[in-house]
Amino acid sequence: EIVLTQSPGTLSLSPGERATLSCRASQSISRNTIAWYQQKPGQAPRLLIYGASSRATGFPDRFSGSGSGTDFTLSISRVEPEDFAVYHCQHYDSSPLSFGGGTKVEIK
Amino acid sequence: QVQLVQSGGGMVQPGTSLRLSCAASGFTFRNFPMHWVRQAPGKGLEWVAVIWSDGSDQKYADSVKGRFTISRDNSKNTLHLQMNSLRDGDTAVYYCARAMMTGWYFDLWGRGTLVTVSS
Repeated sequence: EIVLTQSPGTLSLSPGERATLSCRASQSISRNTIAWYQQKPGQAPRLLIYGASSRATGFPDRFSGSGSGTDFTLSISRVEPEDFAVYHCQHYDSSPLSFGGGTKVEIK
Repeated sequence: QVQLVQSGGGMVQPGTSLRLSCAASGFTFRNFPMHWVRQAPGKGLEWVAVIWSDGSDQKYADSVKGRFTISRDNSKNTLHLQMNSLRDGDTAVYYCARAMMTGWYFDLWGRGTLVTVSS
């Protein structure tokens, strides 16, 4: 079973700052089968990134994903007020699927 | 409108059963693998189960294996999760989610339904 570890647990930023979120896997992820989701309070998660770097419909290009092997990163070039949320990474390399513990991006 | 509408859930006692449902609309349901994902209060997401698009196979997380059963009725565009022998640790918001055929990431989610297991 692949374990995903996200860091930091909480990221405190001011609007306009850059956000860098990490997702580290316990073993190498093949074919970059990593997805990222954004979740706001009381809402279901929303697909943000798939295939490690492909942005889902509806998200602006300030969001980007990168990485390979065991280390993956979600970046927000300039955080906007609507970006404050929890971000989850997920692998879909093999069964069982798993998610990281999440990173909360909060207003500083 | 492309959506997943969930029903079921509620508060039950440990050891009892509950059935969740998820009604799909706006897309060809029979073409997609479907999953259940849960989130305990204040915690992260946990994958629960998957069922193949034609219902021919299912997989489960170890935490629910032998107690939960995922099923679907493609004629009614509906997904189900039968949960038996419920435990306190099963308390969570349960989401149904559509997976892509090219990989099991989730591009469409239900709004979630809360299951509380408590005596």
